[in-house]
This record gives sequence, C-alpha cells and structure tokens, in this order.
Amino acid sequence: DAGVTQSPTHLIKTRGQQVTLRCSPKSGHDTVSWYQQALGQGPQFIFQYYEEEERQRGNFPDRFSGHQFPNYSSELNVNALLLGDSALYLCASSPRTGYEQYFGPGTRLTVT
Amino acid sequence: RKEVEQDPGPFNVPEGATVAFNCTYSNSASQSFFWYRQDCRKEPKLLMSVYSSGNEDGRFTAQLNRASQYISLLIRDSKLSDSATYLCVVNHSAGNKLTFGGGTRVLVKP
Repeated sequence: DAGVTQSPTHLIKTRGQQVTLRCSPKSGHDTVSWYQQALGQGPQFIFQYYEEEERQRGNFPDRFSGHQFPNYSSELNVNALLLGDSALYLCASSPRTGYEQYFGPGTRLTVT
Repeated sequence: RKEVEQDPGPFNVPEGATVAFNCTYSNSASQSFFWYRQDCRKEPKLLMSVYSSGNEDGRFTAQLNRASQYISLLIRDSKLSDSATYLCVVNHSAGNKLTFGGGTRVLVKP
C-alpha cells in the first residue's frame, strides 16, 4: 500500500519563475491538503482539495494555486516566486470523513 | 497570539527518563487534536490522536484539557530514537484544516 508520494524531491528556482509541485494521495484517500513549512517553524496550511475543487484556503496570496485531478492526485502551482517562498512543501491526504492526515516526504524548494 | 503555541525546547532528557510537555490552543471550537513527530528534514508523522478521556499508546500518553485549552504529551522510558520535534496539531470545527504549533524539540541523551 503506497503512501503519499510527492515530486520532485528538491527544486531550485530563481525569483520571478513559476513552479509546479505534484502529489499522489495514499490509496483510498480522496482529500489532499498542501502545507508550507519554513525552516524552524511548523507547517502552515495553504489549501485543501476534494472533488476536484478548492474547499478551504489558508492565508496565502493568489500566487499560490492548485488543482486536483479525477484520480485524486494534486498539483500546487506558485507564480512569481519570491525568496520567501523557499520552504518545504508538504502534501497530506485523508479520507473525506476522517480527520487524520498523512504526509508525503515533501518537496524542498529553494528560490535564489 | 498564535493559534497553537508550544515551548520550542530543546528538552534534554536522559535515556530512560520521563519527559512531558504541553501545548495551548486558542480556538475553543477546536474538535480534533493530534501529536505528530517530525525528524530532521523529514515529513511529520502521526504519533497519536488525542481523545477527551486521555489515551495511551505504549510509552506515550496524551491528555486533553478543554477547560484550560491545552494538550499534553508524556513520554516514559525515553529512548534515543525518541529524539525528534513533536508537533501539536489542532483541527478546527470549520473543516479538515490542521493548525500546527511550532514544535517542541526533544533530545534524548545516553
């Protein structure tokens, strides 16, 4: 039973560029949430998807957008990258009716 | 004030000792509570859910005090492998959105 997978593992981008991160949820899970974790801090909620729609959103600008596909996988897009976007981006999946979320290994994004 | 607050530590713990630490949350409507463990440069992993009556999982005991809005985690007979950052996590009634504390770092030493 595969857990949550994310790609790529690491990514280096320059300011102003755009990036797309990918996530496949754990088998049997239909809800995907994205989090940003800066160094030394706890993860911060970006948004959540189920039924291919954004259902909840945290305090992040519109530069952060996402998508969920019919197979429940998801993408996180960040436009006009800033140095402050450098962080570990975590994807978590859960069943709609459950509260426990399981995290993928994350994508470490460095913006130079 | 942060929604979920934790003492960042580190808590330096001799191997075999007991360590306990708390976290406080500000939203009285919070409904679900968890402890996650995070190793350096790894993803958070669910350690245990926290139930109103308190619950135990092996050497780990979690307590919830709704009146005072805090959650605690106690680790007995600490192992070197318990060294990690422990994240207190709250799920508000508004939806399945997790709010994390900043984490408490625990270092177990021989």
